[in-house]
Amino acid sequence: AQKITQTQPGMFVQEKEAVTLDCTYDTSDPSYGLFWYKQPSSGEMIFLIYQGSYDQQNATEGRYSLNFQKARKSANLVISASQLGDSAMYFCAMREGSNTGNQFYFGTGTSLTVIP
Amino acid sequence: DTAVSQTPKYLVTQMGNDKSIKCEQNLGHDTMYWYKQDSKKFLKIMFSYNNKELIINETVPNRFSPKSPDKAHLNLHINSLELGDSAVYFCASSHTARLEGISGETQYFGPGTRLLVL
Repeated sequence: AQKITQTQPGMFVQEKEAVTLDCTYDTSDPSYGLFWYKQPSSGEMIFLIYQGSYDQQNATEGRYSLNFQKARKSANLVISASQLGDSAMYFCAMREGSNTGNQFYFGTGTSLTVIP
Repeated sequence: DTAVSQTPKYLVTQMGNDKSIKCEQNLGHDTMYWYKQDSKKFLKIMFSYNNKELIINETVPNRFSPKSPDKAHLNLHINSLELGDSAVYFCASSHTARLEGISGETQYFGPGTRLLVL
């Protein structure tokens, strides 16, 4: 089974609107972390936001928030007030606490296009 | 002041050649990684080293050989390059996950090396 699933290969959003990028995960480890990364067309991977499995509150970082629904094993990224510079690939990733290999599992990514 | 650096940034070479990509991090991390990103943008883990010891070695042709001379460096050597090796190769680093719980420390990525095999 896939550890991280991103079901939206591409998404479009109007500038200044909010958009939700979906991510579901699969683990039996009670301790894990969820991460979102942004990859603009220039190619670099930029860390956006982190959510720990024991965190009681949803993570927020500026215009980014993570809608963490533990029972549903989902960790959707919400971008509010979209800007043209948000157009990029977005990757969801997970790291398991018991994984001594320190491996990060990545989804296949969602390409977001912000329309002016 | 770059946290994770890779050289070269671009690499164009002929099939059959041998090439190396170097990676260095100045973040004091003890774990380093190599990823391959194909044309469909899928990120595939190749190797991971923790304190110079190989801990992840995914199904990768043995033409690929990582070398970690110290905790701050993880180089990737590729023998007999093939057309299918064309991709972007990312180096990354992180702290080891804490045993008592997941570390919130993310991976930090290098800028990538764009390899084109002709």
